[in-house]
Amino acid sequence: GESVGLHLPTLSVQEGDNSIINCAYSNSASDYFIWYKQESGKGPQFIIDIRSNMDKRQGQRVTVLLNKTVKHLSLQIAATQPGDSAVYFCAENGAYKLSFGAGTTVTVRA
Amino acid sequence: DVKVTQSSRYLVKRTGEKVFLECVQDMDHENMFWYRQDPGLGLRLIYFSYDVKMKEKGDIPEGYSVSREKKERFSLILESASTNQTSMYLCASRPARGTQHFGDGTRLSIL
Repeated sequence: GESVGLHLPTLSVQEGDNSIINCAYSNSASDYFIWYKQESGKGPQFIIDIRSNMDKRQGQRVTVLLNKTVKHLSLQIAATQPGDSAVYFCAENGAYKLSFGAGTTVTVRA
Repeated sequence: DVKVTQSSRYLVKRTGEKVFLECVQDMDHENMFWYRQDPGLGLRLIYFSYDVKMKEKGDIPEGYSVSREKKERFSLILESASTNQTSMYLCASRPARGTQHFGDGTRLSIL
């Protein structure tokens, strides 16, 4: 079965609002997670990562939160812009491979 | 910046043909990967390689093989293409235990 999953396949957000994308995982031993963004016609691009010794990590306009108790992580995008429209994947970075969720499609409304 | 280059963006082949998809990375990464991406299924790992001439099966290796003769190049081979292999194919590379970097994909259609 799927080891990493996203809660919602689509998310529509008003430009300027904050976006929250959720992801759950099943393996309590997982210790390294990555968020990717995939724009139409391109490969996935690294956004931000977090290791299990952290609860929160911030980048430019993005924040990832990790809750190991309930095996859940989220990606928050501040002040969402039209260029943020894409498919977002969370992935568990294992020893040899990534395990991906199915992705959430984010659509930004003007 | 890491550069992962896939030789073709779009490819159309016929059932039964032998198909080669090529991938080159310029960062001297040890590990390289081939995925296919299908709607509703996300990315699924076909094969990966952790060193030259080394290969490991991923989650869906059936119908595929790979070749890694040089560190920078990882090839995916469809020995006898079938219509259910129509998909987007993504190559990735990473340093040992680092972050994977992806190419822009090859959209393969098998007629």
